[in-house]
Amino acid sequence: SYELTQPSSVSVSPGQTARITCSGDILTEKYGLWFQQKPGQAPLLIIYKDTERPSGIPERFSGSSSGTTVTLTISGAHVEDEADYYCYSAADNDVRVFGGGTKLTVL
Amino acid sequence: EVHLVESGGGLVKPGGSLTLSCAASGFTFSDYTMNWVRQAPGKGLEWVSSISSRSTYIYYTDSVKGRFTISRDNAKNSLSLQMNSLRGEDTAVYYCARDSISPGDFDYWGQGSLVTVSS
Repeated sequence: SYELTQPSSVSVSPGQTARITCSGDILTEKYGLWFQQKPGQAPLLIIYKDTERPSGIPERFSGSSSGTTVTLTISGAHVEDEADYYCYSAADNDVRVFGGGTKLTVL
Repeated sequence: EVHLVESGGGLVKPGGSLTLSCAASGFTFSDYTMNWVRQAPGKGLEWVSSISSRSTYIYYTDSVKGRFTISRDNAKNSLSLQMNSLRGEDTAVYYCARDSISPGDFDYWGQGSLVTVSS
């Protein structure tokens, strides 16, 4: 089975750079995506194809990829960026996997 | 503007059945693959099922195969998930979500519908 592994939590102060990693063998062949989920809200797509940002997503959010790891970077984190972040990839049409999620604390 | 609105959630006993619906608007529904994704209380996201634009291709995660059925009505811009033989571990918020070529999977989500399986 395919798995994506994320740290359970990351903590930064406002204005600092937050980095959240996601590791899995699937990422050597397939793109990684990132979703942001704030309490009580639906997830929001913030990075696709490893590095691309949908329209409307602030430039401080960026993605990178190296080998079996994709990384979400938030440059100059804002207090409002505090949320759960999930990576995702699809090995096949019926193998669509989310990472376990990372709780980002900004304080 | 894309809108996805789920309905049909509620409390059901183990072994019972429930059908979720998702009403879509703001885009050409018949052009897109649609999905159900769930999130158990306090847990992470889990893809449940997907259906291609004309219902040609249907996929399920292993834990719901044989119990859940996804379907769509393109004339009514509607997505459904029929859930049978429900178990406690099916308790979750169920989201409908759209796939697109770009930006990609799950580019729009509904607000979710809570399904609670308990006696």
